[in-house]
Amino acid sequence: DSGVTQTPKHLITATGQRVTLRCSPRSGDLSVYWYQQSLDQGLQFLIQYYNGEERAKGNILERFSAQQFPDLHSELNLSSLELGDSALYFCASSGLQRGELFFGEGSRLTVL
Amino acid sequence: QQQVKQSPQSLIVQKGGIPIINCAYENTAFDYFPWYQQFPGKGPALLIAIRPDVSEKKEGRFTISFNKSAKQFSLHIMDSQPGDSATYFCAASDAGNTPLVFGKGTRLSVIA
Repeated sequence: DSGVTQTPKHLITATGQRVTLRCSPRSGDLSVYWYQQSLDQGLQFLIQYYNGEERAKGNILERFSAQQFPDLHSELNLSSLELGDSALYFCASSGLQRGELFFGEGSRLTVL
Repeated sequence: QQQVKQSPQSLIVQKGGIPIINCAYENTAFDYFPWYQQFPGKGPALLIAIRPDVSEKKEGRFTISFNKSAKQFSLHIMDSQPGDSATYFCAASDAGNTPLVFGKGTRLSVIA
């Protein structure tokens, strides 16, 4: 158990809809990262937050947004969903050791 | 642009064999190279990591070999076991605390 909690584990929705994925980092970790995993692209970095502020941005679509709240949990919002958005979305948090990410078990999104 | 190229995409070895997974990078600013292991239904977990000041690092049956001049690093699994069957990701980051960049992953199957 990594200590990172993600909900929901599975989500099925239709094209054009909007969903919110939630992540609670390990206790004490200030950084939260969101990654998208698909079969052909591997793990793609989307966005990072540190103590409530956006720290880095990767290949995140304009239809996607995220935030980190004062209690350090984070939410990833995906809107105007397309079939190609179907993927596993992972949240990770990091401690003091650079590069060591602790991943949750992911949220599997299926867009029909 | 993929910053870390990983090969092979999949690998099947007999129990006791030594699977080797290779990664190559272009960014000479990278200075931290971890490997992550992911079992089905789980998030990736840190397996072993190396910095470029050493050419090899061993942890149990897992060894990273690093070739700085060639900008390549590889993971060797000694005496592989069926329980090692998983997807393995190499990754890299630089001293600027940029988020980890992952390879596309290698699906390893160890058959008895």
